[in-house]
Amino acid sequence: GEDVEQSLFLSVREGDSSVINCTYTDSSSTYLYWYKQEPGAGLQLLTYIFSNMDMKQDQRLTVLLNKKDKHLSLRIADTQTGDSAIYFCAEKFSGGYNKLIFGAGTRLAVHP
Amino acid sequence: DADVTQTPRNRITKTGKRIMLECSQTKGHDRMYWYRQDPGLGLRLIYYSFDVKDINKGEISDGYSVSRQAQAKFSLSLESAIPNQTALYFCATGTGTDEQFFGPGTRLTVL
Repeated sequence: GEDVEQSLFLSVREGDSSVINCTYTDSSSTYLYWYKQEPGAGLQLLTYIFSNMDMKQDQRLTVLLNKKDKHLSLRIADTQTGDSAIYFCAEKFSGGYNKLIFGAGTRLAVHP
Repeated sequence: DADVTQTPRNRITKTGKRIMLECSQTKGHDRMYWYRQDPGLGLRLIYYSFDVKDINKGEISDGYSVSRQAQAKFSLSLESAIPNQTALYFCATGTGTDEQFFGPGTRLTVL
């Protein structure tokens, strides 16, 4: 079946690195995404990775993809209070109509 | 100006009422989507449309209908609202890579 799982909550200290993990089920997924949702706002695409890549880095963000284990992670270096938000992992499901399957979201809390 | 707008932003209604949520976009995308967000469940797809003449059901379409009036407009209707339709509703537009751009959301409460 189609499923994306994430832990629901992560708390980190300002300046530390945050690592948000995600597992997915569709081994044929071509794209995997990380979205950020700030309070009272819609989802904003942070980054995405093609399934033929192992890693993608974009400034403070590093995405790691382990296709064998169907595991995706998002690392945020030097986490700031402005990074406090809900982070959603999503996979592009390969069957049918290329829909996105979202995880339940990980709430990241950054404290001083 | 926002690329994807939703109206209203907040709505409280009573069981049995008909409700329409509207979405407009200026991104020029052909693909548009309606999702609902519930705590702990992430986003679930209600309906999607790949162009003006194309309407498709998503995972949880029961109790909802949509209308794609133009490339830029996609509305979601609840014909007879019920309390378990209380949720945050998001409209999104998409590109060929399925990168999706989300509106700010409509918070709907059904009493």
